[in-house]
Amino acid sequence: AQTVTQSQPEMSVQEAETVTLSCTYDTSESNYYLFWYKQPPSRQMILVIRQEAYKQQNATENRFSVNFQKAAKSFSLKISDSQLGDTAMYFCAFMKTRDVDSNYQLIWGAGTKLIIKP
Amino acid sequence: GAVVSQHPSRVICKSGTSVKIECRSLDFQATTMFWYRQFPKQSLMLMATSNEGSKATYEQGVEKDKFLINHASLTLSTLTVTSAHPEDSSFYICSATISGGRETQYFGPGTRLLVL
Repeated sequence: AQTVTQSQPEMSVQEAETVTLSCTYDTSESNYYLFWYKQPPSRQMILVIRQEAYKQQNATENRFSVNFQKAAKSFSLKISDSQLGDTAMYFCAFMKTRDVDSNYQLIWGAGTKLIIKP
Repeated sequence: GAVVSQHPSRVICKSGTSVKIECRSLDFQATTMFWYRQFPKQSLMLMATSNEGSKATYEQGVEKDKFLINHASLTLSTLTVTSAHPEDSSFYICSATISGGRETQYFGPGTRLLVL
């Protein structure tokens, strides 16, 4: 069974600094998707970034980028020039490509609470 | 694009009553919708997966007679908590995947249920 581990329960950095959130996963699949979702205090879950496992190039979305190390099964999120609005819970999630049983279900990490200090 | 709404955002009810939560995809057709429950300071717990026009698939430990899910159209799924009790108080979140792009889930804003 697939598992997702986020080893940092909470992190805090000063505004404008760069922060990296770690995520490791365990799977025997060769093709899958990885996601970072953000859940601010409003509790709306927002997609931050997505990575397909077959792509070697790391995904980027403006100030957000990932370091995807497939062999190490690591998928860290880097936030550059952090802003107060980045304060949120960040969840790493795994999805194996669809088969009869998976139905595109997400496997979630426990989350990292990120606090951006002014 | 890919906006999902939920209604109501917050509901308080008496023990023993039933509560219906609606999840709508506003600008896309959703082949599959998911219902989650989130306890404070925890990750999301998948309750069930529903595909339009077919019965929902419930996760182990989730009572299908307690949490009724209906996915009658490609834009609407409903979760009905029947005979609610205080232990059903929680934050319920739905998500939907776009037909033809099923790998990404888009989430509704959630519904906070408080059963007195």
